[in-house]
Amino acid sequence: SQQGEEDPQALSIQEGENATMNCSYKTSINNLQWYRQNSGRGLVHLILIRSNEREKHSGRLRVTLDTSKKSSSLLITASRAADTASYFCATDRDDKIIFGKGTRLHILP
Amino acid sequence: EADIYQTPRYLVIGTGKKITLECSQTMGHDKMYWYQQDPGMELHLIHYSYGVNSTEKGDLSSESTVSRIRTEHFPLTLESARPSHTSQYLCASSDRGRQGSYGYTFGSGTRLTVV
Repeated sequence: SQQGEEDPQALSIQEGENATMNCSYKTSINNLQWYRQNSGRGLVHLILIRSNEREKHSGRLRVTLDTSKKSSSLLITASRAADTASYFCATDRDDKIIFGKGTRLHILP
Repeated sequence: EADIYQTPRYLVIGTGKKITLECSQTMGHDKMYWYQQDPGMELHLIHYSYGVNSTEKGDLSSESTVSRIRTEHFPLTLESARPSHTSQYLCASSDRGRQGSYGYTFGSGTRLTVV
């Protein structure tokens, strides 16, 4: 059963702009994670935010978590061509990680 | 660079053949997972293991089977491949004690095509 839902499904922005992706989930969680997947490859773990945290930064990435709304957002600042990929949120439930459907991000030159 | 390896990277095989997709990790992780992903779609958990001799089915029903005889090795087997098995298969692992901090490490995947 699907736990996370990303929004939007696809996003195209100009290089240098900021990209924001959202994730909503249904049940209580231990933590929420964001992953990146380049075309046809495995997933790369980007950042993890615990249920008792509200915001976390890693380089050009900023993640927020609102457990009252059961939602999270991923902000990529100053986007680059190399950021073109699919981004998935994943929630930790019962010692398993359940992935959303992903947001396909395309950075335009 | 990830220390989890999947082979083969690509596989094209005829219907009815038996195949085994290999997954090995050198990190000593307790937990290992298999996900199935169609192109551009979500990942579905099909099998997982919490340690040696522990295997469980995931949320998506699958005709595949897995084994965990050694900590580092988690192969997935299809006894009789069918075109409906065409997909990408992703293996992942995590350290039970550190999962709360570090997430999963994924292999590069095996893209299976059954003709």
